[in-house]
Amino acid sequence: GDSVTQMEGPVTLSEEAFLTINCTYTATGYPSLFWYVQYPGEGLQLLLKATKADDKGSNKGFEATYRKETTSFHLEKGSVQVSDSAVYFCALSDLQGAQKLVFGQGTRLTINP
Amino acid sequence: DTGVSQDPRHKITKRGQNVTFRCDPISEHNRLYWYRQTLGQGPEFLTYFQNEAQLEKSRLLSDRFSAERPKGSFSTLEIQRTEQGDSAMYLCASSPRENTEAFFGQGTRLTVV
Repeated sequence: GDSVTQMEGPVTLSEEAFLTINCTYTATGYPSLFWYVQYPGEGLQLLLKATKADDKGSNKGFEATYRKETTSFHLEKGSVQVSDSAVYFCALSDLQGAQKLVFGQGTRLTINP
Repeated sequence: DTGVSQDPRHKITKRGQNVTFRCDPISEHNRLYWYRQTLGQGPEFLTYFQNEAQLEKSRLLSDRFSAERPKGSFSTLEIQRTEQGDSAMYLCASSPRENTEAFFGQGTRLTVV
């Protein structure tokens, strides 16, 4: 079945550092790809998405590009802030039926001032 | 619009007891999902409703689990004869139609003692 693999955490960075969180997927079709974020004490929120190959999703300074050839959707941000501390989940959904989300295991990110 | 609401936020129960959780989706969202998230893992799909019809169930949903969505509005998830392995965060999500963002509630954390 479909699956998502994320780089293991936790990840700790200093403020203004460059961030990459790796995500690769396995899918039989051509899924949509997502990054969700969970801030402390809050529910999951959609951060960005891409629906086809070579699409770039972006939001709040975060970016990820749908790479079909490497089946990857790595999350990047050029300069992180303390407020970016959260758990980040990569996910996919197929385009048919329930369009349920298949999540990676999550990566906890801590940004130190 | 107050978002997806879940009740209760926390539930502690003794092994063997039955529990029921409620999810109120965003108004007029006809697609509703239940997920389960254990510590350190990403959410896993349990079941999907389109309006009042339960259209997909995961193999994770054993016969002790049942979900309903009467009248296509709120949904309930019942777990009978709870086991310690049922301890998890139960998440509800809704979306207005296909190919649209799923909005998550804050979840119900179940602890079986």
